[in-house]
Amino acid sequence: RKEVEQDPGPFNVPEGATVAFNCTYSNSASQSFFWYRQDCRKEPKLLMSVYSSGNEDGRFTAQLNRASQYISLLIRDSKLSDSATYLCVLLNAGKSTFGDGTTLTVKP
Amino acid sequence: SAVISQKPSRDICQRGTSLTIQCQVDSQVTMMFWYRQQPGQSLTLIATANQGSEATYESGFVIDKFPISRPNLTFSTLTVSNMSPEDSSIYLCSVAEQLNPPYGYTFGSGTRLTVV
Repeated sequence: RKEVEQDPGPFNVPEGATVAFNCTYSNSASQSFFWYRQDCRKEPKLLMSVYSSGNEDGRFTAQLNRASQYISLLIRDSKLSDSATYLCVLLNAGKSTFGDGTTLTVKP
Repeated sequence: SAVISQKPSRDICQRGTSLTIQCQVDSQVTMMFWYRQQPGQSLTLIATANQGSEATYESGFVIDKFPISRPNLTFSTLTVSNMSPEDSSIYLCSVAEQLNPPYGYTFGSGTRLTVV
């Protein structure tokens, strides 16, 4: 079993839709969690950190469920510019583990 | 956040040759890393570049194949040695930063390597 698992998608949604991704992890000792965004042929860029209390940044909401060992990303009112691959990242003892990513395509 | 300059941005190399990738950061950082991203896949950590000592390699990666230098806190190089087509990939350097907390990672723009 992979340490980090994501539904690869692709998720194809119309503009304005709400879409949610989950990421499950197997190492309960994982300490920090992030969502990264990677555009085609570009480097990954930090989208947001994920906290147990949940955090929101504009149209983006991230949640962490330690009991069930998953993190989620919710995108509201999708824009065309949200089309990208979303990577969940776990950090444990200074070592990062990346999920394979979920591809989102927002269509007009 | 830190600004990372990585070069070359891309290269096409003959098998059996070696390529050195450079990563320059605009500030001193303690933790620098090298990743590989093969087509259609996520990032795999190659090694942690340690300043003043040998790099720490992840399982499946060895110093003879991927020698790393870290002469100071702002610069590192990764060499891909004796290349084969299987080494065709994107190579990324990364630094860890305190981002209001916790640590997050900033990446260079990557080196797209094709071995023919």
